[in-house]
Amino acid sequence: DAKTTQPTSMDCAEGRAANLPCNHSTISGNEYVYWYRQIHSQGPQYIIHGLKNNETNEMASLIITEDRKSSTLILPHATLRDTAVYYCIVITGGTSYGKLTFGQGTILTVHP
Amino acid sequence: ETGVTQTPRHLVMGMTNKKSLKCEQHLGHNAMYWYKQSAKKPLELMFVYNFKEQTENNSVPSRFSPECPNSSHLFLHLHTLQPEDSALYLCASSHVPGTDPYEQYFGPGTRLTVT
Repeated sequence: DAKTTQPTSMDCAEGRAANLPCNHSTISGNEYVYWYRQIHSQGPQYIIHGLKNNETNEMASLIITEDRKSSTLILPHATLRDTAVYYCIVITGGTSYGKLTFGQGTILTVHP
Repeated sequence: ETGVTQTPRHLVMGMTNKKSLKCEQHLGHNAMYWYKQSAKKPLELMFVYNFKEQTENNSVPSRFSPECPNSSHLFLHLHTLQPEDSALYLCASSHVPGTDPYEQYFGPGTRLTVT
């Protein structure tokens, strides 16, 4: 699976958009980009995933560059409850075991 | 609430004890997972079960023994643990690989302390 690079930490003001970048320059054509987050002392939470096209759901938007070498998770109106560690994971679709490999992620702090 | 419950939430055990962690999912999934999260380290996948069959053992020491009696329940039996096994143990579930196995739903975890 392709390796990802994320900033260690980011800050965001409450009510503003939080844009979390992820580099995955070695991604191959059949690899998906998944985002999870982990609020302190809780289990990780699935946010969104995509292959080529931009995706949006009730939680966030995922913007994938045309060359697919990087992506950005956007939380349109961050709240204090969005403070968490955000993980960008690149995996190969269609494999048998559902293996998720978590890195260090980005610590997002939303402040008033 | 994610539909995945874990008990107990906290556990303190001595190195000679035997204990079990329990996970139950109410989502109709057929794949279940155990992860370990040690302090200052990323989550590590331990075991994967698909339709009650173990399909992945990520080089986990034998003092951790998983059991999956049905698709809704997963256990992790612990014996003769070491202090370095102290960690947050997380259970997750998903649809069977081949559909969307990477959209996993996690329980709240069991905080284990080995003394």
